Amino acid sequence: DTGVSQDPRHKITKRGQNVTFRCDPISEHNRLYWYRQTLGQGPEFLTYFQNEAQLEKSRLLSDRFSAERPKGSFSTLEIQRTEQGDSAMYLCASFRGADSYEQYFGPGTRLTVT
Amino acid sequence: AQSVSQHNHHVILSEAASLELGCNYSYGGTVNLFWYVQYPGQHLQLLLKYFSGDPLVKGIKGFEAEFIKSKFSFNLRKPSVQWSDTAEYFCAVKPNTGNQFYFGTGTSLTVIP
Repeated sequence: DTGVSQDPRHKITKRGQNVTFRCDPISEHNRLYWYRQTLGQGPEFLTYFQNEAQLEKSRLLSDRFSAERPKGSFSTLEIQRTEQGDSAMYLCASFRGADSYEQYFGPGTRLTVT
Repeated sequence: AQSVSQHNHHVILSEAASLELGCNYSYGGTVNLFWYVQYPGQHLQLLLKYFSGDPLVKGIKGFEAEFIKSKFSFNLRKPSVQWSDTAEYFCAVKPNTGNQFYFGTGTSLTVIP
């Protein structure tokens, strides 16, 4: 399968714990997005990478969230000191360049904070 | 703040009925517009997109959408739906300035055979 992959697919954690999610984009895609989606809502922008550079981050994003994309390949999203309100589906999407903006989405990581 | 409105939250149609799903956005500048679909158990995937030119764009599986700039709208249409069109449909807007995509809340379409 050459699509966008995300790991893990499901994560259950206790409040206060840290979690890290991984996204592997399609190999030739240099643009990568992270989104959060809750029930009954559309994807909400979290952050954007062009190659290894994090060019934009949602102003609504708590300081507990951080993302990296070392070497411009896979990306990780870390949430520190999780809260119940962080429970959501976390989606990753990638695409090749500004002439396309055709995002390819991964299956998502469903986070449940108990 | 930019927003995208999808007024139809849940639509139920019989097979062969015509479909129109509304999408309105609030951004006043130049935008790129998208419709995404999520079939049950599958990833979000692109149905169609509008960047410039002909405001009537055609996508996969017989879908089309019309961009009406004066109404800030990008409605999705299909003349005759099939049971396999049952899915969640999301409208998305990307202003030309910045890198953020703004998604609507989605419309759940159920097609009854």
